[in-house]
Amino acid sequence: QVQLVESGGGVVQPGRSLRLSCATSGFTFSYYAIYWVRQAPGKGLEWVALISYDGSNKYYADSVKGRFTISRDNSKNTLSLQMNSLRPDDTAVYYCAREGPWVTSAFDIWGQGTMVTVSS
Amino acid sequence: SYELTQPPSVSVSPGQTARITCSGDALPKQYAFWYQQKPGQAPVLVIYKDSERPSGIPERFSGSSSGTTVTLTISGVQAEDEADYYCQSTDFSGSYVVFGGGTKLTVL
Repeated sequence: QVQLVESGGGVVQPGRSLRLSCATSGFTFSYYAIYWVRQAPGKGLEWVALISYDGSNKYYADSVKGRFTISRDNSKNTLSLQMNSLRPDDTAVYYCAREGPWVTSAFDIWGQGTMVTVSS
Repeated sequence: SYELTQPPSVSVSPGQTARITCSGDALPKQYAFWYQQKPGQAPVLVIYKDSERPSGIPERFSGSSSGTTVTLTISGVQAEDEADYYCQSTDFSGSYVVFGGGTKLTVL
């Protein structure tokens, strides 16, 4: 059964760092691009970062560029998001999501999410 | 920046048909996808490539496309369909994922 399980969320002060992880199982991880998508409380969905299947290409939303770093370890079937210089508006549930097999980028499987709260 | 526009809310009675629209200039060129999100849960894909339904999604969910507007249709709405629905596509170049603002479906 295909699964993505996020971890690492919590409460952190502004300006500090946090590292999220996404453990995957049930599929060949190294075949798929993976995204981080976030959702602020009561708000809509926003893509944050994308990493290609082999880690050679990485893309970021303007709102996190220069502060967040996405990475993957295909030997361990895991994805990470290093978040530095956190701001209150980074408060959100963070989901990892698998990119589906279509010409247009979209998501066929989502994790359950991990909550990040940035507050003093 | 590119945007997808959805109505904030739609309300229907049980057994009726709900239609949720999503408008965007790039939709004639890029496929649209629809996700259902219930409170406290992760989004679930209900329609892909404008009108295809993933396995396990009830037949009452369907999608269509016409020009710059795509539509999610839920026929014979049930109480369990009450949720937020998000359309998603990409910009013209296909480089960036874009989500609509979401539509809250209320089953009266």
